[in-house]
Amino acid sequence: EIVLTQSPATLSLSPGERATLSCRASQSVGNHLVWYQQKPGQAPRLLIYDASNRATGVPARFSGSGSGTDFTLTISSLEPEDLADYYCQQRSHWPTFGQGTKVEIK
Amino acid sequence: EVQLVESGGGLSQPGGSLRLSCAASGFTFSSHAMSWVRQAPGKGLEWVSYISSSGGTIYYADSVKGRFTISRDKAKNSLHLQMNSLRVEDTAIYYCARDEVNKDVADYWGQGTLVTVSS
Repeated sequence: EIVLTQSPATLSLSPGERATLSCRASQSVGNHLVWYQQKPGQAPRLLIYDASNRATGVPARFSGSGSGTDFTLTISSLEPEDLADYYCQQRSHWPTFGQGTKVEIK
Repeated sequence: EVQLVESGGGLSQPGGSLRLSCAASGFTFSSHAMSWVRQAPGKGLEWVSYISSSGGTIYYADSVKGRFTISRDKAKNSLHLQMNSLRVEDTAIYYCARDEVNKDVADYWGQGTLVTVSS
């Protein structure tokens, strides 16, 4: 099973600041890496697929990068509504998720 | 508008059974692979089961293999998860999710149904 390790566990930033979330895979997943956003009490929402492609309707402040084992989700300028848990997921093999990064707004 | 609406959750004793359903609308159900994903209270996401668009390919997480059965009903545009021999650790919100056509990406998720296994 491919293990995805996300860091940091919690990120506390002010509106307008840049958020950088990391996801590291235990073995290469190519570019088969997806990012989901889960707001409190809601279902996950697709943000980024194939490591760097924004899903339909996702604001341009969200971007993804990386390949192989190291991936990054960047929120260029935090908005209050970005308060959420963010999960990376790979489907190169049996789907697995990272443990999540909680983004808090100061 | 794509809609996925889960039902069938509730309280079960350990060893019991529940059958979850997911009603799909707003898209051509038979063209999309579907999955069940769960989230234990306060915890992260776990992929539970996958069924291809035709129903010919099915996968299960090791944690549920032999106890859970995924199926789909083309005529009723619905996805099901038969859960037998339930354990306390199966307690979670269960989401159904739709794969984008020909891509390993779950692009739409339902709001989930809560399954609680407790004596």
